[in-house]
Amino acid sequence: DAGVIQSPRHEVTEMGQEVTLRCKPISGHNSLFWYRQTMMRGLELLIYFNNNVPIDDSGMPEDRFSAKMPNASFSTLKIQPSEPRDSAVYFCASSLTSGSLFWEQYFGPGTRLTVT
Amino acid sequence: SQELEQSPQSLIVQEGKNLTINCTSSKTLYGLYWYKQKYGEGLIFLMMLQKGGEEKSHEKITAKLDEKKQQSSLHITASQPSHAGIYLCGAVTNTGNQFYFGTGTSLTVIP
Repeated sequence: DAGVIQSPRHEVTEMGQEVTLRCKPISGHNSLFWYRQTMMRGLELLIYFNNNVPIDDSGMPEDRFSAKMPNASFSTLKIQPSEPRDSAVYFCASSLTSGSLFWEQYFGPGTRLTVT
Repeated sequence: SQELEQSPQSLIVQEGKNLTINCTSSKTLYGLYWYKQKYGEGLIFLMMLQKGGEEKSHEKITAKLDEKKQQSSLHITASQPSHAGIYLCGAVTNTGNQFYFGTGTSLTVIP
């Protein structure tokens, strides 16, 4: 398996533009997580899906952020409009989850977003 | 995350030395996970602990979850430069289906 695939790896955009980050989880995994990592705030869970359904989106910063998982093999995280404070590395991770138990998460390489 | 505090924040050790990283939660942990992150890369899973008193080892890394399930320690024996990176603990607490990561510990091993 190729692991979790994220695209793009790097994104530089101007403030106010729409940004879409993409993730392909590992085949067979039923949970998908979006994280944001910054020096100031560390690694933050933004949202996670189980069987394509959003379970917890309490970490999504504000309405400018939205995430979708239309099928088991694809998810997007969209920021519209983007702001400089959104600059961070965004990670996608997938895992097998049974009930409330989280098994190990496999992380993608991340997307480094810079908003100027 | 304020739910999980790690100590120390950073650590610099000489190659061959032993070291310990701690992860403390204010809530009971349903599951405790240790990850390692190399600078600029994604996280790599190391170990998962569920039961109070449980201890697991992988090569020279040992992790333990205390009996009250509110603290975990990660111990590295005879550290090597390949152990360098950021170590993060992650946990599911008893407040529901929420997953948190700790503040991270940056480890530097000097050859």
